[in-house]
Amino acid sequence: DTAVSQTPKYLVTQMGNDKSIKCEQNLGHDTMYWYKQDSKKFLKIMFSYNNKELIINETVPNRFSPKSPDKAHLNLHINSLELGDSAVYFCASSQVRNQPQHFGDGTRLSIL
Amino acid sequence: DAKTTQPPSMDCAEGRAANLPCNHSTISGNEYVYWYRQIHSQGPQYIIHGLKNNETNEMASLIITEDRKSSTLILPHATLRDTAVYYCIVRGSGGGADGLTFGKGTHLIIQP
Repeated sequence: DTAVSQTPKYLVTQMGNDKSIKCEQNLGHDTMYWYKQDSKKFLKIMFSYNNKELIINETVPNRFSPKSPDKAHLNLHINSLELGDSAVYFCASSQVRNQPQHFGDGTRLSIL
Repeated sequence: DAKTTQPPSMDCAEGRAANLPCNHSTISGNEYVYWYRQIHSQGPQYIIHGLKNNETNEMASLIITEDRKSSTLILPHATLRDTAVYYCIVRGSGGGADGLTFGKGTHLIIQP
């Protein structure tokens, strides 16, 4: 069974559209994260979510919003997509802060 | 979290031990050293972590110097599948849900 799963794996869409990426973890972890990896391969934290506490990286535009329907899911909604949003987005989870994080395989977002 | 310094790239022959260094001279007493790797087109994968003592698991060994200012990740018998970017990350044990800070890592290339 996949521990952290993301859907879709690939997402190609036009500028200005609104899209969502789903993430589910079956590890029973309390904390979930979203990371962005740009074309230069730098991985940066976007959000972390723990017990209804949302911590936002201040550099993330407010067009990005995480939504957590329950502890096992943290979805990423993106409004008014821009060319610069093209990247690979990774979801991850961990039990607590100093425990290892488990990552999904990523969602490759391409904006036309 | 303390900053880390790693060589940008390294080569290692298949079947030999791969030793990846990391400097973290500003590490504080409650900060752990974590190692992750990212194989091409996959999500980051946790390898090992430690605080003071040397650690070993089925994937690797972690050697932390006595002053904790540097560490070495050892892959005992490198295979071609170990070709990846390896990230050394220093992270505190405090509460909260903020994410990992990835640097540029070391691109390890295993040569046949």
